[in-house]
Amino acid sequence: GQNIDQPTEMTATEGAIVQINCTYQTSGFNGLFWYQQHAGEAPTFLSYNVLDGLEEKGRFSSFLSRSKGYSYLLLKELQMKDSASYLCAVKDSNYQLIWGAGTKLIIKP
Amino acid sequence: IAGITQAPTSQILAAGRRMTLRCTQDMRHNAMYWYRQDLGLGLRLIHYSNTAGTTGKGEVPDGYSVSRANTDDFPLTLASAVPSQTSVYFCASSDSSRENTGELFFGEGSRLTVL
Repeated sequence: GQNIDQPTEMTATEGAIVQINCTYQTSGFNGLFWYQQHAGEAPTFLSYNVLDGLEEKGRFSSFLSRSKGYSYLLLKELQMKDSASYLCAVKDSNYQLIWGAGTKLIIKP
Repeated sequence: IAGITQAPTSQILAAGRRMTLRCTQDMRHNAMYWYRQDLGLGLRLIHYSNTAGTTGKGEVPDGYSVSRANTDDFPLTLASAVPSQTSVYFCASSDSSRENTGELFFGEGSRLTVL
């Protein structure tokens, strides 16, 4: 079966750095995506990786290793507004998105 | 309208009743999707449509039907609601020219409670 694993919950301090990991086992791979979802709101697109390496976008970076079936989302200079759930999703060989359950990130002052 | 709009935002429904969740987008995206989101689970695809006039089944299609008469509208119907269909439903769309990025645009969600 297809599986996306990410931690259920993480806590970090305002101004610090946090890394949210995602491991996947899917039938084929056509890209990995990170979405942010604030409580009670819709998910919004953060990043996309299809080749190995690091993609940087402001305070957020996303890394991919296809050989290890592994990705992480790195958030720097954490702000209170970064408190949200972060969803990892992989597009499989049929170009269908397989979603992880999400990581709830709690930022403390 | 700007983006993708869902209605209603919230609904309490008696079991056995018929319910249609509406979804409209004004971005001229060809692909549209319906997901349900339940606590502790990832988003699960119910039905999708790659273009107007075509639809397909996702991971959890039973008990739901969709139609795609035009580009903008993609309603989801529960023919006879059951309590297990209590969930938050998200409609989403994507532009096929950007499909390789997988960027989905989501509506604000419809919270449905079936009693």
